[in-house]
Amino acid sequence: EVQLVESGGGLVQPGGSLRLSCAASGFTFSSYSMNWVRQAPGKGLEWVSYISSSSSTIYYADSVKGRFTISRDNAKNSLYLQMNSLRDEDTAVYYCARDNPSGAFDPWGQGTLVTVSS
Amino acid sequence: EIVLTQSPGTLSLSPGERATLSCRASQSVSSSYLAWYQQKPGQAPRLLIYGASSRATGIPDRFSGSGSGTDFTLTISRLEPEDFAVYYCQQYGSSLPITFGQGTRLEIK
Repeated sequence: EVQLVESGGGLVQPGGSLRLSCAASGFTFSSYSMNWVRQAPGKGLEWVSYISSSSSTIYYADSVKGRFTISRDNAKNSLYLQMNSLRDEDTAVYYCARDNPSGAFDPWGQGTLVTVSS
Repeated sequence: EIVLTQSPGTLSLSPGERATLSCRASQSVSSSYLAWYQQKPGQAPRLLIYGASSRATGIPDRFSGSGSGTDFTLTISRLEPEDFAVYYCQQYGSSLPITFGQGTRLEIK
C-alpha cells in the first residue's frame, strides 16, 4: 500500500524553526517528485514547494521563498521541509503529496499541524 | 499566477441528484494539467480527476471531468451520501506557482 506519513509539527513561537518529515512506503520513492501543500485552519489548499526525484529541480511559493527549504533522502525514503523565520500566517496543516505520472498529487499524507503563536 | 475561481461556493443537493461544479481560470490552462480533489472533514484531499477528464485509480464512474482552456467542470452524476464534501480544482505543470481554487462545498439539502 502506498503511504505517506508526516511528522514534526507542533507549537513554535514566531521567528522560530521547525523541520517536517514525510516517510514514504509502498512505492519506489526515488522515482517520484514530491510536494508540500498546506491548509490554514478553515481555509483552502496552498501549494508550498516541489522537489524532483533527484533533487535537481526545486520550486517554492513566493510566500515561503527564502524561509523554507525542501529536501529529500532517497536512501531513507523521506521528504523534508525545513521551516525558518516562522510567522503567524504559516499556521496550517502541512501535507506531503506525491506527483502521479501526470503531475497531479496522489496520494497525500494525513498531514501534520504547525501552529505559530507566542 | 493563474487564479482559479470555483462556483458555486456552496451547492445544496439531495442524494440521487446531479452535481455540476465549475472551475474558471484567469488564463488558459493546458487540459493535461487540471485536476479535481475531494476533501472530507479531518481528512487529506483525495485525487478524483487529472488531465481534466481522467479518473484516478478507484474513483467511481459517477465522477467525470470535462472542459478546456479556461472553463472546467466536475460532474457527479448521481450523488451518494459519501460524496458530500469540499471539492477543489488545481492547475499543475502549466505554470508556476501551482494553484488551487478556493473550493466548492457540496452539502446535503
